[in-house]
Amino acid sequence: DAGVTQSPTHLIKTRGQHVTLRCSPISGHKSVSWYQQVLGQGPQFIFQYYEKEERGRGNFPDRFSARQFPNYSSELNVNALLLGDSALYLCASSLTGSYGYTFGSGTRLTVV
Amino acid sequence: KNEVEQSPQNLTAQEGEFITINCSYSVGISALHWLQQHPGGGIVSLFMLSSGKKKHGRLIATINIQEKHSSLHITASHPRDSAVYICAVRSSNTGNQFYFGTGTSLTVIP
Repeated sequence: DAGVTQSPTHLIKTRGQHVTLRCSPISGHKSVSWYQQVLGQGPQFIFQYYEKEERGRGNFPDRFSARQFPNYSSELNVNALLLGDSALYLCASSLTGSYGYTFGSGTRLTVV
Repeated sequence: KNEVEQSPQNLTAQEGEFITINCSYSVGISALHWLQQHPGGGIVSLFMLSSGKKKHGRLIATINIQEKHSSLHITASHPRDSAVYICAVRSSNTGNQFYFGTGTSLTVIP
């Protein structure tokens, strides 16, 4: 059974551009959470979705948005990229959003 | 102040040594996770704890809910254990939000 799949694995963007990151949860998992990990720091919570509805939002600007699709996959969108958005973006899925989280390997975004 | 504090930040050990990584947290939690992150960023979930102690191979994790403290122990450490170990707690107050420690970078020397 496939784990949590994130795409792309690496990405380079220019300041001001827009980026879309994708996450496919483990089959049967209905909750997806997104995290940003800046180099040398622990991950920071961005969003949680469960059954296509937003269940939680971290302290990130409105340039960050996300959605969850009927097949429970998710996209994280970041507009007007800044150099400080360079980070590893992690996705985690769980059955209900309450326990049993599995993390993906992440998408490494570099903004130049 | 961070909701989750880990110590030490960096740790170098000789192969075979017993290793302890500590985690203290300040929020009410419903669960605590120990995660392992290898170079390149991929994260593996090692343990999820809500009470007591769990053991998996050479890894042991304990949690004391009253003291808001958890420890991760590695027995007979090996160079392949070299990684960043992250403590993460799932808050019981803020809708399942995770708070993460900044990680402990472990290097095991042959």
